Amino acid sequence: ETGVTQTPRHLVMGMTNKKSLKCEQHLGHNAMYWYKQSAKKPLELMFVYNFKEQTENNSVPSRFSPECPNSSHLFLHLHTLQPEDSALYLCASSQLQVYNEQFFGPGTRLTVL
Amino acid sequence: AQTVTQSQPEMSVQEAETVTLSCTYDTSESDYYLFWYKQPPSRQMILVIRQEAYKQQNATENRFSVNFQKAAKSFSLKISDSQLGDAAMYFCAYRSGGEEGTSGSRLTFGEGTQLTVNP
Repeated sequence: ETGVTQTPRHLVMGMTNKKSLKCEQHLGHNAMYWYKQSAKKPLELMFVYNFKEQTENNSVPSRFSPECPNSSHLFLHLHTLQPEDSALYLCASSQLQVYNEQFFGPGTRLTVL
Repeated sequence: AQTVTQSQPEMSVQEAETVTLSCTYDTSESDYYLFWYKQPPSRQMILVIRQEAYKQQNATENRFSVNFQKAAKSFSLKISDSQLGDAAMYFCAYRSGGEEGTSGSRLTFGEGTQLTVNP
């Protein structure tokens, strides 16, 4: 265990559903990240939060909506997704110093029908 | 923009043997950090080893070592005495040496190399 938890681990949803992914870190870090991992593609950074403020939105469609209520929790709200959004969604956290590693959660396997 | 390339989608090694995974990157920066992450099946991604670009000495962590060639922009991972538990997807990643709170926190990943360890 890396100290970063994600729920749910698996999620199947229809294109008209609304769901949320949750990430929690128990490491006292001040930065959190959402990544998308698709088969045979590099991990894609979606969002970055530093000290609860969003500092990066990597051209992510508005059907993905992040929320960071405090430095320990990060959510990804999903609505009207497309089948091509099916992927493993990874959350990570780090302490904001350049040499510090990012710690990853186990991911949520999302399937959009 | 930085790019990271892992040219070996799959590699295999016999248990107790040595294997080297390749990674090249493209950047115009002089200050940056390089990482190898391991993602076992259905398990969390964990850091294997880290290299600071300003250090000439290659990083080593037990059976894992890197060959960092800054001029060639190459960052290969060598796994010695391979074990069954080393079987995983390995990702090379680049991080800028930028300021905190900016793009310096961004990791750019390669496509990964799937390593199989044969008993």
